[in-house]
Amino acid sequence: ETGVTQTPRHLVMGMTNKKSLKCEQHLGHNAMYWYKQSAKKPLELMFVYSLEERVENNSVPSRFSPECPNSSHLFLHLHTLQPEDSALYLCASSQGGEKLFFGSGTQLSVL
Amino acid sequence: AQKITQTQPGMFVQEKEAVTLDCTYDTSDPSYGLFWYKQPSSGEMIFLIYQGSYDQQNATEGRYSLNFQKARKSANLVISASQLGDSAMYFCAMREDSGTYKYIFGTGTRLKVLA
Repeated sequence: ETGVTQTPRHLVMGMTNKKSLKCEQHLGHNAMYWYKQSAKKPLELMFVYSLEERVENNSVPSRFSPECPNSSHLFLHLHTLQPEDSALYLCASSQGGEKLFFGSGTQLSVL
Repeated sequence: AQKITQTQPGMFVQEKEAVTLDCTYDTSDPSYGLFWYKQPSSGEMIFLIYQGSYDQQNATEGRYSLNFQKARKSANLVISASQLGDSAMYFCAMREDSGTYKYIFGTGTRLKVLA
């Protein structure tokens, strides 16, 4: 148990669906991150939130929409995804540049 | 641009032996941090060890040590006395200290420990 909880663990969706991934951290950290992990590729940083403000958006397509309503919660809203978006989506949090704490991830399959 | 390179896609090691996983990095920032994470088949990323760019000593955490060679920009992970439970993916990561803290990762090395 790392203190970072992600739901759901698995998600299958069609290309026309709308779904959301949820991340919650109980560590009092001030920064939260979304990463995408595809096979044989480095973890790709998607979004960074610091003190609930989005401070990084790594050229992510607009079909991915993050939301950080407070310092403990982070969402990734998904709509009209493509099959190549199938991957493991990892949420992480940190405090002041210390180590990242990761959730267990959401394995997403887009049909 | 900052970059992490792990050139070993897969490694085998005999149980109880030591193994070194390679990591090189590229950055122009004088201040940065280097991390190693383990990812078992369950998918969760587990923090192993940390080295700051200004740290004089190599970091150690139990059976893990980090061989930090700043001039060569390498941060290799050494696992001593390998155990079957060490079989996993291992990722090297670097934290950029300019502005927002961003963490970039290498492609990982899959380690298999043989009985």
